Amino acid sequence: AQSVTQPDIHITVSEGASLELRCNYSYGATPYLFWYVQSPGQGLQLLLKYFSGDTLVQGIKGFEAEFKRSQSSFNLRKPSVHWSDAAEYFCAVGARNTGNQFYFGTGTSLTVIP
Amino acid sequence: GAVVSQHPSRVICKSGTSVKIECRSLDFQATTMFWYRQFPKQSLMLMATSNEGSKATYEQGVEKDKFLINHASLTLSTLTVTSAHPEDSSFYICSARDQWQHSYNEQFFGPGTRLTVL
Repeated sequence: AQSVTQPDIHITVSEGASLELRCNYSYGATPYLFWYVQSPGQGLQLLLKYFSGDTLVQGIKGFEAEFKRSQSSFNLRKPSVHWSDAAEYFCAVGARNTGNQFYFGTGTSLTVIP
Repeated sequence: GAVVSQHPSRVICKSGTSVKIECRSLDFQATTMFWYRQFPKQSLMLMATSNEGSKATYEQGVEKDKFLINHASLTLSTLTVTSAHPEDSSFYICSARDQWQHSYNEQFFGPGTRLTVL
């Protein structure tokens, strides 16, 4: 069965520090992978996505993620965090079959301290 | 492009009443729309998949008669919470899939609707 695991429920980083949010997935084939960010009371904003090709993908707001097939991971990174990055981050796996279902991780809450 | 809207953004209703939430794809045609529910501090749970012109497919444990979904056109899907109760209070998010991006399975999310049942 497909699943997504975000091991870190909550992360606190200092402004200007680097960030890595972990995401591991379980899927029978190469999945479509996404990272979304959600501010309180808001919908989801797509940060970046991986479909195929280069395993290092660049997204908006200075985020990047690397697909590592051998580790079934798709970790999100940012070299220097800004206070405005404080939010909830969700990793999602999309099925390549006709089901089109998304599987979301439980999310990682990011707090940025000055 | 690929904008999805939801209306209303917030709704407060009395217990026992019905509430309709609209999800619209503004600049693309969506053959498939998805409805999610999100409890505070939790992830999104898929409730149902809505296909234009056909009956919605509900996830296990979701009551079809309570959460009525209609997808009458390629740009509009509605979720009606019937006889709402306080436990139905939640954040409801829809997403839509662009039929022209079939091979990529990307979904575009609406901003969500906060439902509070008193």
